[in-house]
Amino acid sequence: RKEVEQDPGPFNVPEGATVAFNCTYSNSASQSFFWYRQDCRKEPKLLMSVYSSGNEDGRFTAQLNRASQYISLLIRDSKLSDSATYLCVVNGWQAGTALIFGKGTTLSVSS
Amino acid sequence: ETGVTQSPTHLIKTRGQQVTLRCSSQSGHNTVSWYQQALGQGPQFIFQYYREEENGRGNFPPRFSGLQFPNYSSELNVNALELDDSALYLCASSPPGTPPQTNEQFFGPGTRLTVL
Repeated sequence: RKEVEQDPGPFNVPEGATVAFNCTYSNSASQSFFWYRQDCRKEPKLLMSVYSSGNEDGRFTAQLNRASQYISLLIRDSKLSDSATYLCVVNGWQAGTALIFGKGTTLSVSS
Repeated sequence: ETGVTQSPTHLIKTRGQQVTLRCSSQSGHNTVSWYQQALGQGPQFIFQYYREEENGRGNFPPRFSGLQFPNYSSELNVNALELDDSALYLCASSPPGTPPQTNEQFFGPGTRLTVL
């Protein structure tokens, strides 16, 4: 089983749509969880951290369910500029700070 | 504040050659991690350096080695290059005292390595 698994995508949605990405992780000792965004041929950039209580940043909402080892990202009112690959990320060890990435889900928003 | 920089941006090598990639961490950051991202995949952790010592390693063979210097910059060396080593190599730095709960890593633009 892969350490971090994501919906394979791609997701093709019209502007204004709501889209949800799901992710599961295998290491129950993981302590930190993130969504990164990666534009084509660019480096990953942190979109948001994910907390057990859930957190929201504008149109973006992230949820974490530790019992199910499940992470989600909801994007409301999609914009053309949201087109990118979204990477689900967890930390890899108990003491270190290595990040374990999912394969990524590609989102394409069209007008 | 200067971000993470990497050099070179692109590199073409042939099988069996050796390559050195360089990374300058963001100002004030003392931890550097290296990742390999093959086409269509997420980044994979290679190793991490903290205070000039290797602080953990992913599932990569010994021909992948690294260094961190006193100014926290870092090098990734790959010996005996194979075709499958073709990938984007990303360096990421994080500041001192970063707790696991925040653990934000800042990525450089990467070096795109092609092995022919």
